Amino acid sequence: EVQLVESGGVVVQPGGSLRLSCAASGFSFRDYTMYWVRQTPEKRLEWVSLISWGGSSTYYADSVKGRFTISRDNDKNSLFLQMNSLRADDTAVYYCATDSTRQFWPPSGYFHHWGLGTLVTVSS
Amino acid sequence: EIVLTQSPATVSLSPGERATLSCRASQSVSSKLAWYQQKPGQAPRLLIYDASNRATGIPARFSGSGSGTDFTLTISSLEPDDFAVYYCQQRTNWLWTFGQGTKVEFK
Repeated sequence: EVQLVESGGVVVQPGGSLRLSCAASGFSFRDYTMYWVRQTPEKRLEWVSLISWGGSSTYYADSVKGRFTISRDNDKNSLFLQMNSLRADDTAVYYCATDSTRQFWPPSGYFHHWGLGTLVTVSS
Repeated sequence: EIVLTQSPATVSLSPGERATLSCRASQSVSSKLAWYQQKPGQAPRLLIYDASNRATGIPARFSGSGSGTDFTLTISSLEPDDFAVYYCQQRTNWLWTFGQGTKVEFK
């Protein structure tokens, strides 16, 4: 069974930094493109970032470009999101998700398996 | 950025009725569109990809249609478990966007 477990979400002040983690199990993590997607308090879904299965290609939403960095450790079946210069509008539940295709590039662009999410609150 | 507009925002129906949800794109996305279902306290679940293909394990009462800018998700006969929020999503030019969601609620 595919499992994705996010962690690292806390309350942080504006301008602060945070590192989110996603622990993967039940599938061949190193073979899948991975994503971060967030859901705002208003329930709006927003794609945040993507990383290719080998880690060589990354993409970011304009709203986080230059502030967030996605990375992965395939030996530890883990995905990360380093979040710097946090703003109030970064407040959201952050989900990690798999692409729906294995070892395929470009990826399908569809979010197949999702974790339960971790809540990031940016507030003073 | 391609904007996806879903309608209606809320639809009130009874079990056994047919649900028809619409998603309109601000420019063509070809058939690169997906639908997700989300229940309270849960992550979204992929239902339909490439506009009309059901994801693994999704019941046949869910169907998708459309291409270009106009898409439809149809639930042929609502089950009690289907009352939820539904989102459409597209990916073009390495940018992903979602619609704002349609809530299917009990009438």
